[in-house]
Amino acid sequence: GQQLNQSPQSMFIQEGEDVSMNCTSSSIFNTWLWYKQEPGEGPVLLIALYKAGELTSNGRLTAQFGITRKDSFLNISASIPSDVGIYFCAGVGGATNKLIFGTGTLLAVQP
Amino acid sequence: KAGVTQTPRYLIKTRGQQVTLSCSPISGHRSVSWYQQTPGQGLQFLFEYFSETQRNKGNFPGRFSGRQFSNSRSEMNVSTLELGDSALYLCASSPDYPETQYFGPGTRLLVL
Repeated sequence: GQQLNQSPQSMFIQEGEDVSMNCTSSSIFNTWLWYKQEPGEGPVLLIALYKAGELTSNGRLTAQFGITRKDSFLNISASIPSDVGIYFCAGVGGATNKLIFGTGTLLAVQP
Repeated sequence: KAGVTQTPRYLIKTRGQQVTLSCSPISGHRSVSWYQQTPGQGLQFLFEYFSETQRNKGNFPGRFSGRQFSNSRSEMNVSTLELGDSALYLCASSPDYPETQYFGPGTRLLVL
């Protein structure tokens, strides 16, 4: 099925570092969502974005809805070991107006 | 509010058997979607139900089916299981589709 391009695929960082990941699409989206999934669990919603240019924070997490409506970014500041997991972006819109998921970014944080 | 619940959490079946998975959405949510997650394919959309009707469907064979009850609870059935059906099956609910979805913990299915 259709998927968003999410990068990077994986990141291995030291505790305390900042992290950046992004999602891009060839189609315009109306909503961008960011989820985190830990091993053996379902994805948990982190941030939802509904307007182009919107910048939203949730603790150490900040996400932005790109002004072109074709991309979104997630930043994590001062990473900690419990940030470990797979981060998924998801977008609503495009030709099908369905919820489309990115391929995920695996984050590993070394204490 | 209680979150999305899925039962069972783990399941082991053999090829050729059939399986039924259950999902209870967040109270007040009428849309329930099902996803299959595998390491190679990521999150793949199976289907979505709203008010007991299947409204959206992904590209899966007819062996995968579902239904929704009047209380919005949903079940997913896979018949004639194949080894490749081994996956984490996730259920997500929302007030309507494709609004922001909230996922359950998933059912891990292993087909031997």
